[in-house]
Amino acid sequence: QVLLQESGPGLVKPSETLSLTCTVSGGSLTGYYWSWIRQPPGKGLEWIGHIYYNSEFASYDPSLRSRVSISVDTSKNQFSLRLTSVSAADTAVYYCARVLYGSGSSPFDYWGQGTLVTVSS
Amino acid sequence: DIQMTQSPSSLSAPVGDRVTISCRASQTIRNFLNWYQQKPGKAPKLLIYATSTLHSGVPSRFSGSGSGADFTLIISSLQPEDSATYYCQQSHTTPRTFGQGTKVEVQ
Repeated sequence: QVLLQESGPGLVKPSETLSLTCTVSGGSLTGYYWSWIRQPPGKGLEWIGHIYYNSEFASYDPSLRSRVSISVDTSKNQFSLRLTSVSAADTAVYYCARVLYGSGSSPFDYWGQGTLVTVSS
Repeated sequence: DIQMTQSPSSLSAPVGDRVTISCRASQTIRNFLNWYQQKPGKAPKLLIYATSTLHSGVPSRFSGSGSGADFTLIISSLQPEDSATYYCQQSHTTPRTFGQGTKVEVQ
């Protein structure tokens, strides 16, 4: 059973950088795309971006592209999210997820439990 | 970006009812359509991918159909544990996009 667990600060000040890590257990990063998705309180799901396990083929939502980066550390079986210059609009539950690429439609088949990040001074 | 529009936004139905949720894409996405179920305070769970393939462990009362730009999620006999919000998601193009969600209440 593949398990994903997000970790990082739950409170970030405006204009600062949000950094989260997703630790994968019960499986390897190898051969998969890995993604970050967020959900503002009471709202729907927003795709942030994804990256291939070898750090190639990263793709980001255009609205966040200037502020976001996703990286992979295969030695720790982790991948990370970095979002700069945050504002209250970035307050959300942040999920990490595995992409089942090659299944015919690349769904997100395993998800972390999510971590709430609040942007506030 | 491809816009995904679900209807209805919410519905309420008794146990045993057949429930249909629609999802329309702003352009053709072939069969690159996935469905998720999310319960309050929990992460979404994959139900169906590639329009109609049931994910492992998902009850057979869930089914999906459609092609091109119009898709449907059907719950053939609604159960109390199906109370949740359901999201469609396209994986045809980046950025990946989700529908706004359909909240299902079981009476």
